[in-house]
Amino acid sequence: DSGVTQTPKHLITATGQRVTLRCSPRSGDLSVYWYQQSLDQGLQFLIQYYNGEERAKGNILERFSAQQFPDLHSELNLSSLELGDSALYFCASSAGREGTEAFFGQGTRLTVV
Amino acid sequence: AQSVTQLGSHVSVSEGALVLLRCNYSSSVPPYLFWYVQYPNQGLQLLLKYTTGATLVKGINGFEAEFKKSETSFHLTKPSAHMSDAAEYFCAVTLYSSASKIIFGSGTRLSIRP
Repeated sequence: DSGVTQTPKHLITATGQRVTLRCSPRSGDLSVYWYQQSLDQGLQFLIQYYNGEERAKGNILERFSAQQFPDLHSELNLSSLELGDSALYFCASSAGREGTEAFFGQGTRLTVV
Repeated sequence: AQSVTQLGSHVSVSEGALVLLRCNYSSSVPPYLFWYVQYPNQGLQLLLKYTTGATLVKGINGFEAEFKKSETSFHLTKPSAHMSDAAEYFCAVTLYSSASKIIFGSGTRLSIRP
């Protein structure tokens, strides 16, 4: 158990809909990362937050947004969903200090039908 | 910008044979390097990491990796493969600054033949 909790584990929704994925980081970790894993794109970095502020942005679509709340949990919002958004979405957290590794949650498997 | 290249999307070895998974990085400043393993239907788990100091890093499950600055490489090895090592392995890099994003390679799927 990495200590990172993601909910829900599975999500099936229709095209055009909006979903919210939730992540609770490890106790004490200030940094949260979101990644998308699909068969054709591999593990893609989406966005990183550090203590409530956006710190780095990767290949995140404009239809996607995220935030980190004062209690440090994070949410990833996906809207106007398309079939191609079907993937495994991982949240990871780290202490945010130099050289600290990220600990991953079990992921949310999103299926868009 | 930093990047990671993993050579070989799929590696197959016999049980008991040497495992060698290749990783090369690109970074303009000293990097921190990681190897993660992902078993089916699970999240990524840290195998080992290099920050500073000793260039040969030992990790869990008998794996080790050597940081070679001159070759910009961080290859993962294990002397003797076990069936339970079958998984996907990811090399990752982050830069020498707090809260820097972690960039992953495309992954190498390791298969073990009986």
